[in-house]
Amino acid sequence: GESVGLHLPTLSVQEGDNSIINCAYSNSASDYFIWYKQESGKGPQFIIDIRSNMDKRQGQRVTVLLNKTVKHLSLQIAATQPGDSAVYFCAEKVSGGNKLVFGAGTILRVKS
Amino acid sequence: GAGVSQSPSNKVTEKGKDVELRCDPISGHTALYWYRQSLGQGLEFLIYFQGNSAPDKSGLPSDRFSAERTGGSVSTLTIQRTQQEDSAVYLCASSSSSARDGYTFGSGTRLTVV
Repeated sequence: GESVGLHLPTLSVQEGDNSIINCAYSNSASDYFIWYKQESGKGPQFIIDIRSNMDKRQGQRVTVLLNKTVKHLSLQIAATQPGDSAVYFCAEKVSGGNKLVFGAGTILRVKS
Repeated sequence: GAGVSQSPSNKVTEKGKDVELRCDPISGHTALYWYRQSLGQGLEFLIYFQGNSAPDKSGLPSDRFSAERTGGSVSTLTIQRTQQEDSAVYLCASSSSSARDGYTFGSGTRLTVV
C-alpha cells in the first residue's frame, strides 16, 4: 500500500478565524479529489469534492481550490468553530481508476 | 441501512489467530472498499469490489489477507495468522458508482493483535 508519515502536521487556529489546509497530490492523471474530516474514533466524513475541470468549488463554510499546474489542493474553512477540530485528509482518484489514494492528513485544532 | 455498518467495532486477538471483519454497505451501493488506517497515519487501500466484476486486490499486503462480498452486499475481510503489525483500524466504504460521488465510510473495526 501507499506509505504515509508517522507525524501529522498540525494547524492551530483561533475560533472564528479562517483555516486553510493544504495538500500536495501525487498524480497528474488524477481527475477527482475529495476532502474528508475524521474525528476521533470515527470513520472519515465527506466534506466536499471537486473534479479536475474546475479550479474552485464552494460549500457551506468550506471552499476547495485546485491548482493542477502545481498539483495542489486546499481546503478553506470560514469562521472556524471548535467542532471543526479533527484530522483532515485529501484524497485523489486517477482517471479510469478504482480507488481513492489518501494523503497523510492534517490535524486542525481550534482554540476557544 | 442509513449508513455503512461495520462489526465488531473492536477486536482483540492473539497473534496467530484468524479474524473476520464484517461490512454492511449502504443499500443499493454497488462499490465497496476496504482501507486500513494505522495509528496516526493515512488510509491505505486494500481491496475494491464493484458489482459482479473481479475485485481489485492490488492493495492487500500479503496472502494472509482476503476478502469476499456475498450477493453484492455484505463483505467480509479475513486476516489469517494475525501478526502484531496487523493492528490497525480497518475501514469499509461504499459508493453508488465508482468513486464519483464520494465514498461513505463506516466507523471501522479497531483490531489489536496481542
